Amino acid sequence: QITLKESGPTLVKPTQTLTLTCTFSGFSLSSSGVGVGWIRQTPGKALQGLAFTYWYDHESYHPSLKNRLIITKDTSKNQVVLTMANMDPVDTATYYCVYRPPIFSGRSLFESWGQGILVSVSS
Amino acid sequence: ETVLTQSPGTLSLSPGERATLSCRASQSVGSNYLAWYQQKPGQAPRLLIYDASGRAPGIPDRFSGSGSGTDFTLTISRLEPEDFAVYYCQQYIDPPLTFGQGSTVEIK
Repeated sequence: QITLKESGPTLVKPTQTLTLTCTFSGFSLSSSGVGVGWIRQTPGKALQGLAFTYWYDHESYHPSLKNRLIITKDTSKNQVVLTMANMDPVDTATYYCVYRPPIFSGRSLFESWGQGILVSVSS
Repeated sequence: ETVLTQSPGTLSLSPGERATLSCRASQSVGSNYLAWYQQKPGQAPRLLIYDASGRAPGIPDRFSGSGSGTDFTLTISRLEPEDFAVYYCQQYIDPPLTFGQGSTVEIK
């Protein structure tokens, strides 16, 4: 059974750096074809892909946010960490950790999602 | 960036009726680089359809997808009570991946 769980602060101040951790089970990020990443959903329900990391040590980022994001993985701990610098109130959203299984290798398709964590940005 | 536009915004139907949702892309997403997700209140999206017409594991066969190029359709043949939800399309041919704004299927 695949599970993903997001953890981190639910409230950050403008200009601060957000650090979110995704702890997963049921698969290994070192297995061929596997990817894990982050997608956020605004209060208005818009969905946006942020950053993704793959089994072969490749990362990808949303172009407009690339200079603010870093995604890292720890395969021994089954964790993926997202850091997002210089937070702004428009970054208020629910942040989801997502899993791409090997059957979808080469495609940005997400079969499993975490429950999400609502992060608010306010002073 | 490929923009996806979904229609209608809201569809009001009764259980047992057929639902047809549309997703139009601002540029071609090829023959099949299009997925559909379902989201219920308080839950994460769930993958329904991939590659325009493939059903994800565990998805009932009342859900079907079709289309190519810039025009895609999600059809729910007979609505069950649990199908009333928001549906999103997503393209994955053109990085960054993008989602449509969503279509709500509500009980009439």
